[in-house]
Amino acid sequence: GQNIDQPTEMTATEGAIVQINCTYQTSGFNGLFWYQQHAGEAPTFLSYNVLDGLEEKGRFSSFLSRSKGYSYLLLKELQMKDSASYLCAVRDSNYQLIWGAGTKLIIKP
Amino acid sequence: DTAVSQTPKYLVTQMGNDKSIKCEQNLGHDTMYWYKQDSKKFLKIMFSYNNKELIINETVPNRFSPKSPDKAHLNLHINSLELGDSAVYFCASSQGAGGGETQYFGPGTRLLVL
Repeated sequence: GQNIDQPTEMTATEGAIVQINCTYQTSGFNGLFWYQQHAGEAPTFLSYNVLDGLEEKGRFSSFLSRSKGYSYLLLKELQMKDSASYLCAVRDSNYQLIWGAGTKLIIKP
Repeated sequence: DTAVSQTPKYLVTQMGNDKSIKCEQNLGHDTMYWYKQDSKKFLKIMFSYNNKELIINETVPNRFSPKSPDKAHLNLHINSLELGDSAVYFCASSQGAGGGETQYFGPGTRLLVL
């Protein structure tokens, strides 16, 4: 079966750095997405990785290792507004997006 | 000038009723989707249309019927609503149906079946 694993919840301190991991087992791979979802709102696109390595975009970076079936989202200089759920999604060989359940990130002052 | 819009935002109804949720995107995208997000926050794809044609039809009860009158609209009709249908339903769109297409989500419709 197809599976995306993420930690259910993480807590971090304002101004710090946090890494949210995602491991996947899918039938084929055509890219990995990270989305941010604030409570009661729609998911919004953060990043897309299709090749191995690190993609940096401001305070957020996303890393991919296809051989390990592994990705992480790195958030630096955490702000209170970063409190949200972070969803990992993998596009499989049929170009369907398989979603993880998301990691709820709690930022404390 | 909302990119992906859904109506209604909230829907409270009785078991057994029939209801519709509407979705419109003004991004000029070719592909639209319906997702269901349950209380455990899993996003599950229900349907996907590309240029008004159904391309993804996951295992959902046939009480759910999507309709795409044109590529900017994808509506969802639900017959004989059940308690388990209570969830947030998100519409989304993307430029194409494959590759690295980013999906843009609507604000969601919170459906509560009593």
